Amino acid sequence: DAKTTQPPSMDCAEGRAANLPCNHSTISGNEYVYWYRQIHSQGPQYIIHGLKNNETNEMASLIITEDRKSSTLILPHATLRDTAVYYCIVRRYAGNNRKLIWGLGTSLAVNP
Amino acid sequence: ETGVTQTPRHLVMGMTNKKSLKCEQHLGHNAMYWYKQSAKKPLELMFVYSLEERVENNSVPSRFSPECPNSSHLFLHLHTLQPEDSALYLCASSQDLVGIETQYFGPGTRLLVL
Repeated sequence: DAKTTQPPSMDCAEGRAANLPCNHSTISGNEYVYWYRQIHSQGPQYIIHGLKNNETNEMASLIITEDRKSSTLILPHATLRDTAVYYCIVRRYAGNNRKLIWGLGTSLAVNP
Repeated sequence: ETGVTQTPRHLVMGMTNKKSLKCEQHLGHNAMYWYKQSAKKPLELMFVYSLEERVENNSVPSRFSPECPNSSHLFLHLHTLQPEDSALYLCASSQDLVGIETQYFGPGTRLLVL
């Protein structure tokens, strides 16, 4: 599974869009990009995933570049409750490896 | 509320104690996982169960002993732990191993070993 690189921390003003980048330059054609977040003192929470098309759900949008070497998670109107560590994971769907490769993620602070 | 509950939420134990962590999922999932999260380190997968059978054991010391009596319950039995075992222990579940990418996590048990 490809390795990902994320900035260690970011700040965002409440009500503004939070754009969280992730680099995965070694991604393979059959690997998906998954995003999770972990609010302090809670377990990680699945947010969204995608292969090559942009995806949107009630929580966020995922923009994947055309060459698929990077992606951006967008929280369109960040709130204080979005303060969390955000993890970007790349993995082949239904791959034989039973591990998700977790990095240290990006610690997002949403400020009032 | 993710549908995965863990008890206790906090635990302090001495190195000679025996304790157990409990996880229960109400999602009808077939796969369950134990993770360890130490400060400033990535999540570490400890054990994977599928349909009550252990399918993964990632070189975890024998002082950690998992048990999966049915597909809804998962335990982690602890004995003679070391201070470096202090961490957040997370339980997760997924529909099955094919859906491992979409896991649902419990809130974790914060363990302190003195």
